[in-house]
Amino acid sequence: DIVMTQSPDSLPVSLGERATINCKSSQSVLYSSNNKNYLVWYQQKLGQPPKLLISWASTRESGVPDRFSGSGSGTDFSLTISNLQAEDVAVYYCQQYYSTPPTFGQGTKVEIK
Amino acid sequence: EVQLLESGGGLAQPGGSLRLSCAASEFTFGRYVMSWVRQAPGKGLEWISGISGSGSGRYYADSVKGRFSISRDNSKNSLDLQMNSLRVEDTAVYYCAKGGAVADTVYWYFDLWGPGTAVTVSS
Repeated sequence: DIVMTQSPDSLPVSLGERATINCKSSQSVLYSSNNKNYLVWYQQKLGQPPKLLISWASTRESGVPDRFSGSGSGTDFSLTISNLQAEDVAVYYCQQYYSTPPTFGQGTKVEIK
Repeated sequence: EVQLLESGGGLAQPGGSLRLSCAASEFTFGRYVMSWVRQAPGKGLEWISGISGSGSGRYYADSVKGRFSISRDNSKNSLDLQMNSLRVEDTAVYYCAKGGAVADTVYWYFDLWGPGTAVTVSS
């Protein structure tokens, strides 16, 4: 199974500042035949199910604010929230879908400093 | 409205059984892979089982293999999870999740989630 490791576990950030979450996979999730990274990011607010934010490592889902951006390739990825808003307080998860079973990172809790 | 709605959670004794169901609305259910993902109290997300659109392919995490069984009825837009030999460590919120797709290809990421149903295994 591919192991996904996020850092940090907790991230206090001031309103209006930038938050960057890292995600590392134990093997590459870049599919050579189409040059796509099989990685997504979810946001989970307290008491709610996860919400898909970004697929293919960097493609924002419809309706997701453009202050959310994803980057990286191969085994190293990042989710950046620029200009942090109060409504962005949540736990963020990365997940690979390169191989079965799909596996999640352990989550990063973003909070207001 | 496009949605998923789980039911069937509750309290079970260790060694007991529960059957979870998920009702899908307003999308072509049979086209997509579907999965169950669980979240233990205060913990992260764990994919536990998935099924292909036709139902012919069924996949399980090692933690539930041999105890849980996934099935779907595309005529009823429904997904089930039969959970047998339950353990205390199966206590979690169980989410039904729809697989993503690009054109005609489906993938094991999840673009629609239900609100979840809570399962507690305790004596």
